[in-house]
Amino acid sequence: GAVVSQHPSWVICKSGTSVKIECRSLDFQATTMFWYRQFPKQSLMLMATSNEGSKATYEQGVEKDKFLINHASLTLSTLTVTSAHPEDSSFYICSADRQGNGYTFGSGTRLTVV
Amino acid sequence: QKEVEQNSGPLSVPEGAIASLNCTYSDRGSQSFFWYRQYSGKSPELIMFIYSNGDKEDGRFTAQLNKASQYVSLLIRDSQPSDSATYLCAVDNQGGKLIFGQGTELSVKP
Repeated sequence: GAVVSQHPSWVICKSGTSVKIECRSLDFQATTMFWYRQFPKQSLMLMATSNEGSKATYEQGVEKDKFLINHASLTLSTLTVTSAHPEDSSFYICSADRQGNGYTFGSGTRLTVV
Repeated sequence: QKEVEQNSGPLSVPEGAIASLNCTYSDRGSQSFFWYRQYSGKSPELIMFIYSNGDKEDGRFTAQLNKASQYVSLLIRDSQPSDSATYLCAVDNQGGKLIFGQGTELSVKP
């Protein structure tokens, strides 16, 4: 139980294009999901909190116009990296609240911008 | 600045031994503490979480929390080569916003 599916698992895109990443809670409803980013050899850094039916809240230093988050239903949150550049290449991971049983992470999306 | 500190390792233990992983945190108001395991190139997997002072056991894993010392640890008994991974300590201060430590790389030698 408590599976979080993330898609795609990896993507390569050209500089200047946009990429959408989906995060789905498969067997539970998640009013809140979280988006993290992990650069090589570094730990996870929280980017934003995605709330169903309302605007996402972003951590300091994260550009909200560049990283668009939509949480249109209780089981789906999307992160769109707009006008991607090589420095946006990273491992993007979502997580969802398991309602008192910790936070489950999705499988992650490895983004490479060329 | 809220911080979570871990020794980066690598920590090397022989198969069958006990691996001890440590974590300290700076925010005394922290309420929830998590241990995740992350294999190279994969996303973190939840091992266990702990809210109250003392020990919490789950199979070969034991989490220990000491809020007075702002210290949380993870013990892995009967370590196996498959336990070789990076172990991430995370602290939840604001309803799901996890602050992660840098992670400790564990290597279990057959």
